[in-house]
Amino acid sequence: NAGVTQTPKFRILKIGQSMTLQCTQDMNHNYMYWYRQDPGMGLKLIYYSVGAGITDKGEVPNGYNVSRSTTEDFPLRLELAAPSQTSVYFCASSYSADRGPEDTQYFGPGTRLTVL
Amino acid sequence: DAKTTQPNSMESNEEEPVHLPCNHSTISGTDYIHWYRQLPSQGPEYVIHGLTSNVNNRMASLAIAEDRKSSTLILHRATLRDAAVYYCILRDTLAGTYKYIFGTGTRLKVLA
Repeated sequence: NAGVTQTPKFRILKIGQSMTLQCTQDMNHNYMYWYRQDPGMGLKLIYYSVGAGITDKGEVPNGYNVSRSTTEDFPLRLELAAPSQTSVYFCASSYSADRGPEDTQYFGPGTRLTVL
Repeated sequence: DAKTTQPNSMESNEEEPVHLPCNHSTISGTDYIHWYRQLPSQGPEYVIHGLTSNVNNRMASLAIAEDRKSSTLILHRATLRDAAVYYCILRDTLAGTYKYIFGTGTRLKVLA
């Protein structure tokens, strides 16, 4: 299994540009998540999905959109990029989220985004 | 939100045990305590989790206080590869948003 894969690894955007960060998992996990990590800080949840066709906002959703058309894919869309969105973005997935042993999250390697 | 408090940084000598503390005084009765670590330039990876009893796995041990208001991650023999940021995490049960609450974690430095 490849686990959770993310593309691209690095990207530089100009203010006002848009882009999509790709995330794919091959573990047949129901739950998927997008986090951002600013320098020296912990991770903050942007959006999450509990299954295909179902998404919901996390702590910091403004400026982002997501979709979940398949179990495997959970792309994150940035519209009108701003310098405040400069961060490292991590995608994660888990089998469930019931606070038990099955809700271990598996993280991708991250996408480092710079907005200039 | 239930929150955790960890020291910003700790140091350990290679091959010695490391005890990483975490305070979570507002933990709810059904919250599991999760530990993840983040190696340099990588995504977080699962280390261990527990509810009430102490837990062991191949990576580490988790000691949970009887009142559950604190816990300690124990690395039995630190190696250079264990240098990472360690996060003690609780599930947010109130808002039902299925999220982990990441703090800033403890940066562990292992000295050769």
